[in-house]
Amino acid sequence: GQQVMQIPQYQHVQEGEDFTTYCNSSTTLSNIQWYKQRPGGHPVFLIQLVKSGEVKKQKRLTFQFGEAKKNSSLHITATQTTDVGTYFCAAGGRGDYKLSFGAGTTVTVRA
Amino acid sequence: AAGVIQSPRHLIKEKRETATLKCYPIPRHDTVYWYQQGPGQDPQFLISFYEKMQSDKGSIPDRFSAQQFSDYHSELNMSSLELGDSALYFCASSSRRDRVFFAGTDTQYFGPGTRLTVL
Repeated sequence: GQQVMQIPQYQHVQEGEDFTTYCNSSTTLSNIQWYKQRPGGHPVFLIQLVKSGEVKKQKRLTFQFGEAKKNSSLHITATQTTDVGTYFCAAGGRGDYKLSFGAGTTVTVRA
Repeated sequence: AAGVIQSPRHLIKEKRETATLKCYPIPRHDTVYWYQQGPGQDPQFLISFYEKMQSDKGSIPDRFSAQQFSDYHSELNMSSLELGDSALYFCASSSRRDRVFFAGTDTQYFGPGTRLTVL
């Protein structure tokens, strides 16, 4: 399956600040998905990116897929305590239905 | 909306025992995936089924087996349990009818997981 590297592993953010988590692959990806897992919870689908250079927004979350389809990012603005959790990127291949997850970025928020 | 159901939610077993985990996908979903997540780790793909046939296999030990039944529910059977099998086991389901075209992948909806503890 597709191998994806995700950084940073941990992100400690002051409430109200912005942060970004990055996902990189050495190979071209067919698509990239982002999931959020709250502590003690299960991964919850956020978004899927398919097109080169694609940018999608969900309220304070902005997702990007690189032009070469080898990297992706999730940017959160004005972080809130509800943003606490681990954000995973996951690569799915075309015709390859399993997901290969990145290591995740665990976000904690200081009030 | 109906979600993926997994049972049991918690399971405690002794080494060398067997365990069976059950997954009930979202209605009308045709594909089931099993993932294993160790403490502080990302989910690792184990196996998947599409229309009751195994469609892909990941890092599933030979001691584990799984199947999907006619009603689309799936069971993960684990034998000769080892301490290292202690983990969260997630089932996810998807519908290929809902797939994003042109290099898209099915959106996978995860169940709440089964926490397996092997003592």
